Amino acid sequence: GEDVEQSLFLSVREGDSSVINCTYTDSSSTYLYWYKQEPGAGLQLLTYIFSNMDMKQDQRLTVLLNKKDKHLSLRIADTQTGDSAIYFCAERGGYQKVTFGTGTKLQVIP
Amino acid sequence: EPEVTQTPSHQVTQMGQEVILRCVPISNHLYFYWYRQILGQKVEFLVSFYNNEISEKSEIFDDQFSVERPDGSNFTLKIRSTKLEDSAMYFCASSEGRKDGYTFGSGTRLTVV
Repeated sequence: GEDVEQSLFLSVREGDSSVINCTYTDSSSTYLYWYKQEPGAGLQLLTYIFSNMDMKQDQRLTVLLNKKDKHLSLRIADTQTGDSAIYFCAERGGYQKVTFGTGTKLQVIP
Repeated sequence: EPEVTQTPSHQVTQMGQEVILRCVPISNHLYFYWYRQILGQKVEFLVSFYNNEISEKSEIFDDQFSVERPDGSNFTLKIRSTKLEDSAMYFCASSEGRKDGYTFGSGTRLTVV
């Protein structure tokens, strides 16, 4: 079945860039997503990329997709303390189901 | 900004009891979903619902579970005869189209004692 893997934890200093990495196994993935989860809250869609794209930029967020290696990354420029949260990578294949990764907890140190 | 609303935010129930988790999806969305997240584990797909029927479900979604859209606004998840291992955060989500990103609710924390 589909699998999505992420590192569990990332710590960065405020003002630095954060890069959160994700790998997936489903070669038929059509859309890949990044969600943010703050404590006690639901999952907030941050951005997504279609599988025929290599890169997408949205303000401080840059998504890079290497489809050959099935590798997705999320770069957050000028990371702020408000960016501290858990970030989930997710992929959608041909069906409606979206498969989520384990989540990466981002800690921003002031 | 439109929201997906879930109630209650926290439900405590005794093992063996039935619970109904409620969701109000975004009004113009056509696809509805339930996911769950056991503490410290992955967000797991349970079921997707479109055009008043289940369109996809996972192995987790067995006969103990059912979903319903009883009226034009609510989308419910019923868990019959709850077990301790059903304790989790249950998230409802909706999307406008099949390939659109989901909008999630803030979740219902279910604790089975």
